[in-house]
Amino acid sequence: NAGVTQTPKFQVLKTGQSMTLQCAQDMNHNSMYWYRQDPGMGLRLIYYSASEGTTDKGEVPNGYNVSRLNKREFSLRLESAAPSQTSVYFCASIPPIAGVGGEQFFGPGTRLTVL
Amino acid sequence: GDSVTQMEGPVTLSEEAFLTINCTYTATGYPSLFWYVQYPGEGLQLLLKATKADDKGSNKGFEATYRKETTSFHLEKGSVQVSDSAVYFCALSGAGSYQLTFGKGTKLSVIP
Repeated sequence: NAGVTQTPKFQVLKTGQSMTLQCAQDMNHNSMYWYRQDPGMGLRLIYYSASEGTTDKGEVPNGYNVSRLNKREFSLRLESAAPSQTSVYFCASIPPIAGVGGEQFFGPGTRLTVL
Repeated sequence: GDSVTQMEGPVTLSEEAFLTINCTYTATGYPSLFWYVQYPGEGLQLLLKATKADDKGSNKGFEATYRKETTSFHLEKGSVQVSDSAVYFCALSGAGSYQLTFGKGTKLSVIP
């Protein structure tokens, strides 16, 4: 099991460019999440997908779109990158029968810089 | 809405010192509480959790007790090691929810 994988690990964009962050999990998890981590802010939820075919906004969705391509993959797209989107992005997933108090499994992160 | 407040860092301790990182929360009902740890350059991983009042979560020498009366979930370790240097996040998931609300994180550095 590779767990939760993310690509790329690092990316530098210019303002206005677009890109897609990829996330995949091989643990047969239903729910998947995208967070951003900024210094002194903790992790903030951007979007989540409770199951294949559904997506919902989190705390900070503006400037992002997501696609739940299938049960394994959940991508995050920046259509027109802005310097305020410079951050570390984490994908996470949770098992289907986790119940209350279930553990989220995190990927290694993508460090994005927008110039 | 739900929120988590944890002590500001950074915290620097000598090896074998006692560690406490305070965490308090605001939530309706009975949330589940978590401590996650992030080692340099890595993603977060679950350190311990507690799902009901008075539960004690423990792992790798770390402990935290779910205190409903004080809405707290303080992280403690009796003797820290250099390998414990990391950022520690307190988090909660509301009753019936799988979404996590995180504190801002506390960076711990342990020096030999």
